[in-house]
Amino acid sequence: DAGVTQSPTHLIKTRGQHVTLRCSPISGHKSVSWYQQVLGQGPQFIFQYYEKEERGRGNFPDRFSARQFPNYSSELNVNALLLGDSALYLCASSLEVRGGGYTFGSGTRLTVV
Amino acid sequence: QQQVKQSPQSLIVQKGGIPIINCAYENTAFDYFPWYQQFPGKGPALLIAIRPDVSEKKEGRFTISFNKSAKQFSLHIMDSQPGDSATYFCAASGYSGNTPLVFGKGTRLSVIA
Repeated sequence: DAGVTQSPTHLIKTRGQHVTLRCSPISGHKSVSWYQQVLGQGPQFIFQYYEKEERGRGNFPDRFSARQFPNYSSELNVNALLLGDSALYLCASSLEVRGGGYTFGSGTRLTVV
Repeated sequence: QQQVKQSPQSLIVQKGGIPIINCAYENTAFDYFPWYQQFPGKGPALLIAIRPDVSEKKEGRFTISFNKSAKQFSLHIMDSQPGDSATYFCAASGYSGNTPLVFGKGTRLSVIA
């Protein structure tokens, strides 16, 4: 069975640019969450979506946005990139919002230069 | 505001030793406490999780101890092996989905032969 799939795996962008990261959840999972992991730190919660609706938002600026599609895949968009946005961006899927059981993908490594 | 505090930051043990990683939380809305293991270049992988209705849970060589009154929980790794060398994260969330998954800062474990 395929796990959580994220693309691309690596990305280099210039300050001020825009980036779109993609996530395909495990088949049957309806909830997708996004996390930012800066080197040497724990993952920080950005967004959670369930059935295409935003169910939670972390303490991130409005430059960060996301959406979930009818097939439950998701996109994370970041506008006006800053050097500080360089991080590993993780997507996690779960069957539902409740119950835990989050499965993480391997992430997208974003470098902003 | 760090909702889950994890210690120590790093840990070195001999093969066969029992590393112990501790976490403390503040938000009483948390009622689901998982531990994740992360290898370099990979996303976090769920190891074991506990809910507040029990004080201890074992799965293979991994044991969680939970103290609800102190709002603390810990991970014990029995008979540790070099392959256990990784970064370990404690986390907490609301099982009903009302509170997203938040992580500690991580513990880098090295098991030396």
